[in-house]
Amino acid sequence: QVQLVQSGSELKKPGASVKVSCKASGYTFTSHTMNWVRQAPGQGLEWMGWINTNTGNPTYAQGFTGRFVFSLDTSVSTAYLQISYLKAEDTAVYYCARYSVVRGVIVFDYWGQGTLVTVSS
Amino acid sequence: DIQMTQSPSSLSASVGDRVTITCRTSQSISSYFNWYQQKPGKAPKVLIYAASSLQSGVPSRFSGSGSGTDFTLTIASLQPEDFATYYCQQSYISPYTFGQGTKLEIK
Repeated sequence: QVQLVQSGSELKKPGASVKVSCKASGYTFTSHTMNWVRQAPGQGLEWMGWINTNTGNPTYAQGFTGRFVFSLDTSVSTAYLQISYLKAEDTAVYYCARYSVVRGVIVFDYWGQGTLVTVSS
Repeated sequence: DIQMTQSPSSLSASVGDRVTITCRTSQSISSYFNWYQQKPGKAPKVLIYAASSLQSGVPSRFSGSGSGTDFTLTIASLQPEDFATYYCQQSYISPYTFGQGTKLEIK
């Protein structure tokens, strides 16, 4: 069965970096683009962008350029989100979500369990 | 970017009630539209894709309708496990924006 398993919670100081992993299983990793979605405490879902798992080409939503980097290691079917120069406002749960096209429509059909990143001094 | 206006932001209802949540988009998106359910501490789960198609494994009391700019999620008879937050999403064009969510609470 399809599973996306993310790395555990992180507590970081402002200015530090964090790398969140998302390991996929149960399907061909390079057949589905991987998305990243942020959810700040008590807030809604915010699409951060995606990475083409075939080419490794990332696309970032506005507001997620510069300090945010999506990457892959296809040998272990894993996607990564790295955030540099962390700020308090980066405190959130970060989800990876697989993208499928069903009846011609893009849908995020499988999600990781989420990784809480807390930025605090 | 396409703006999503979801209403209501919160809703109190009882087990057995029929509930409707609506979402309006700032431009026409045909049926490139999805609904997700999120329970506290859990990842979102897709309920409806392509505006009206029920995701495999989702109970038939959930239904979606609409196209263009106006969309509706209906829960025919609320069950205890349906109390959660619901999000709409457009997948017509990047960025794939979400609505602000509707928190469905027990009355």
